[in-house]
Amino acid sequence: AQSVTQLGSHVSVSEGALVLLRCNYSSSVPPYLFWYVQYPNQGLQLLLKYTSAATLVKGINGFEAEFKKSETSFHLTKPSAHMSDAAEYFCAVSGADRYSTLTFGKGTMLLVSP
Amino acid sequence: GAGVSQSPSNKVTEKGKDVELRCDPISGHTALYWYRQSLGQGLEFLIYFQGNSAPDKSGLPSDRFSAERTGGSVSTLTIQRTQQEDSAVYLCASSLYQGFLGEQYFGPGTRLTVT
Repeated sequence: AQSVTQLGSHVSVSEGALVLLRCNYSSSVPPYLFWYVQYPNQGLQLLLKYTSAATLVKGINGFEAEFKKSETSFHLTKPSAHMSDAAEYFCAVSGADRYSTLTFGKGTMLLVSP
Repeated sequence: GAGVSQSPSNKVTEKGKDVELRCDPISGHTALYWYRQSLGQGLEFLIYFQGNSAPDKSGLPSDRFSAERTGGSVSTLTIQRTQQEDSAVYLCASSLYQGFLGEQYFGPGTRLTVT
């Protein structure tokens, strides 16, 4: 069984500041981990994914995430926030087999102020 | 190319009525997923189709919910005797391959309101 916990339902940053969205997972098997972004009134879009290759994963729009097995974490970061980054972000976990489905966290809304 | 489309975009129905929600996946994608997104609850997996295999219905919350996928393409999610707690955004996604191998592409969702 897998689960994901996202710390903080809302995170507020100023434009240009560091973005840090936290995700901790629980998995009985080696996990595959994902971050998705949802802009208002749109579906989810994949930002990046970890599938047991490099532990530091780079995604679109300048985001990256680091898989830390010892901490069971997969936090999402971006060095400098932009107004267009305001959206809801979902962390998700999957087992490393072809029949696994994604289990999503409850999401973190990122608010960016000028 | 065309992405995942869903219809209707919004649906308001009275308690007790049946509703059908439609999903058109990306052409050639073999896997199709339905999720429910409720305020503050994240995404809840409902059902998953892979090719011609029997669907994984493990996430359906009750027997009022059912889904079918015709010809390995279009899918319909049916909710019978709707209840107010069914109000949510229903998201459909498709992927080229099943499981983690394929990135899931999401449609814009259908917002269902049960009055």
